[in-house]
Amino acid sequence: SAVISQKPSRDICQRGTSLTIQCQVDSQVTMMFWYRQQPGQSLTLIATANQGSEATYESGFVIDKFPISRPNLTFSTLTVSNMSPEDSSIYLCSVEAGVSLNQPQHFGDGTRLSIL
Amino acid sequence: GQNIDQPTEMTATEGAIVQINCTYQTSGFNGLFWYQQHAGEAPTFLSYNVLDGLEEKGRFSSFLSRSKGYSYLLLKELQMKDSASYLCAVLDSNYQLIWGAGTKLIIKP
Repeated sequence: SAVISQKPSRDICQRGTSLTIQCQVDSQVTMMFWYRQQPGQSLTLIATANQGSEATYESGFVIDKFPISRPNLTFSTLTVSNMSPEDSSIYLCSVEAGVSLNQPQHFGDGTRLSIL
Repeated sequence: GQNIDQPTEMTATEGAIVQINCTYQTSGFNGLFWYQQHAGEAPTFLSYNVLDGLEEKGRFSSFLSRSKGYSYLLLKELQMKDSASYLCAVLDSNYQLIWGAGTKLIIKP
């Protein structure tokens, strides 16, 4: 399965600042996914990032707040902008294991973000 | 709307067997996944079912009944390291993954 490196692993940030999370995969993948997971809760998909096109955002998430880059088939970034305490969460990137549509997703180790 | 239900928490004894249920109501179905997530870690893939029946993989088995919108994950010979959350996720007709809230499994000696 793909090896996914996500960084930073954790950060503590001030209200109003922005943080960019990086996700690097050791193989080329078509789609990369960005999730948020609040304590004790399940995963919420923020957006799907395809190389060469704009990310597709889920309901409740907007590009101004969570801009995403996908410059090539092995790398993506998610920025959490103008942070507030409500943004404190774990952010996870994932990729699908293969080319068919029913492949499992594999996850990076996550970024634990706390906003003061 | 789309919905996946799992128990919030379960407790079991080391060495025993536990069954974690998942029921779903989704727009279409293209398979069901089980993931394990240890506290503070990322989810890891356990199993995938798309046809009815039981899939066995070592100590873990996963069952699916599409007509009932029902799956379960069966864990045998429980070990302390099995203490984790278990997430059920369904692939809908658009191949979008719908996640359950997860079941926190506590293993006691």
